[in-house]
Amino acid sequence: QLQLQEAGSGLVKPSQTLSLTCTVSGASINSGGGFSWHWIRQPPGKGLEWIGHVWPSGSTYYNPSLKSRVTISGDWSKNQFSLSLISVTAADTALYYCARSNLDYYFDSWGQGRLVTVSS
Amino acid sequence: DIQMTQSPSSVSASVGDRVTITCRASQPVSRWLAWYQQKPGKAPKLLIFGASTLQSGVPPRFSGSGSGTDFTLTISGLQPEDVATYYCQQANSFPALTFGGGTKVEIK
Repeated sequence: QLQLQEAGSGLVKPSQTLSLTCTVSGASINSGGGFSWHWIRQPPGKGLEWIGHVWPSGSTYYNPSLKSRVTISGDWSKNQFSLSLISVTAADTALYYCARSNLDYYFDSWGQGRLVTVSS
Repeated sequence: DIQMTQSPSSVSASVGDRVTITCRASQPVSRWLAWYQQKPGKAPKLLIFGASTLQSGVPPRFSGSGSGTDFTLTISGLQPEDVATYYCQQANSFPALTFGGGTKVEIK
């Protein structure tokens, strides 16, 4: 059974870098099959915002609104993928989810989420 | 970006009622639309994709319809376990995948 688990710092100071890792079990993230690996966030009490994703090939695509600050990468040897968001502000406080999509970009598996608070 | 607008923002209905949620896209997305259910404290769960295809394991009381800009999620016979917030998501415009603002469903 596929499982995704986020990990990383839950508190980040303004202007610093948010870093999260998603560990995948039950499937190899570079096995292909048309799956890609995503980060999505949800500010407290608000809706969902897609951040970006990485393909098994290493290709990445980002939400244009966050593109200048985001990097997503994969560590195939550890079956993990990671999110880095630089120059954070309070507006980046959110529950961060990692997720898998199929070729059609529907998210069929999600992690439980990691709350990241940006505060001094 | 394609904006997704859901209505209503919340709905309260009795057990057994039929509940309808609408999602409107700011430009056509063909049938590239999904619906998710998010229960309190949990991650979203994929219910429907391709506007009307039920994800494996989802009860048949859930159904989806629509194409282009207007879509509907229907719960035929609301159950207590359906209390959740429901989100639509368009998958037509990449790399700018976008979600609706959500509809909270409660039991009256």
